[in-house]
Amino acid sequence: KAGVTQTPRYLIKTRGQQVTLSCSPISGHRSVSWYQQTPGQGLQFLFEYFSETQRNKGNFPGRFSGRQFSNSRSEMNVSTLELGDSALYLCASSSGLEDSPLHFGNGTRLTVT
Amino acid sequence: DQQVKQNSPSLSVQEGRISILNCDYTNSMFDYFLWYKKYPAEGPTFLISISSIKDKNEDGRFTVFLNKSAKHLSLHIVPSQPGDSAVYFCAASAGDDKIIFGKGTRLHILP
Repeated sequence: KAGVTQTPRYLIKTRGQQVTLSCSPISGHRSVSWYQQTPGQGLQFLFEYFSETQRNKGNFPGRFSGRQFSNSRSEMNVSTLELGDSALYLCASSSGLEDSPLHFGNGTRLTVT
Repeated sequence: DQQVKQNSPSLSVQEGRISILNCDYTNSMFDYFLWYKKYPAEGPTFLISISSIKDKNEDGRFTVFLNKSAKHLSLHIVPSQPGDSAVYFCAASAGDDKIIFGKGTRLHILP
């Protein structure tokens, strides 16, 4: 079974630009969650989608948005990039059933200059 | 407000000995707890989980202990091996499919 795939692996953008990150979940998984990892802050929850609906949202500004398609693939968008948005963005999928663990992709490393 | 706390940023343990990683939480609604391991340039890998109806769960060299009254859980790795050197994240969920992570503990296994 293929794992969670995130593209691209690395991205360099300039302040003020916008960026779209992509995530393909494990086949059969209907839930996709996004996390931001920065040094010293651990993994901070962005949002979670299930069957194309956002079920949960973290405490990030509205510049961070996402969506999920009918095939469970998900995209995350960050608009008006700031230097502080530089981070590793991790996508994780799960079956969406109660008490099911997340399975992570290898992340997209975003650098904002 | 940090709901899941890993107060030790790093830990060094001799190969063959027991590694004990600790985690505290503040939200009494959490009922499902997980441990993840992360190598550089890779995503976190699920290790082991425990439901709040249990106080111990074991999987090979890994055992997770949960003390609900103290809002504390720990991960024991016995015996520790060089490949266990990684960052370990504790995580918790309140059944709403939102999993909250701690900041991680970097484990160094010394030869």
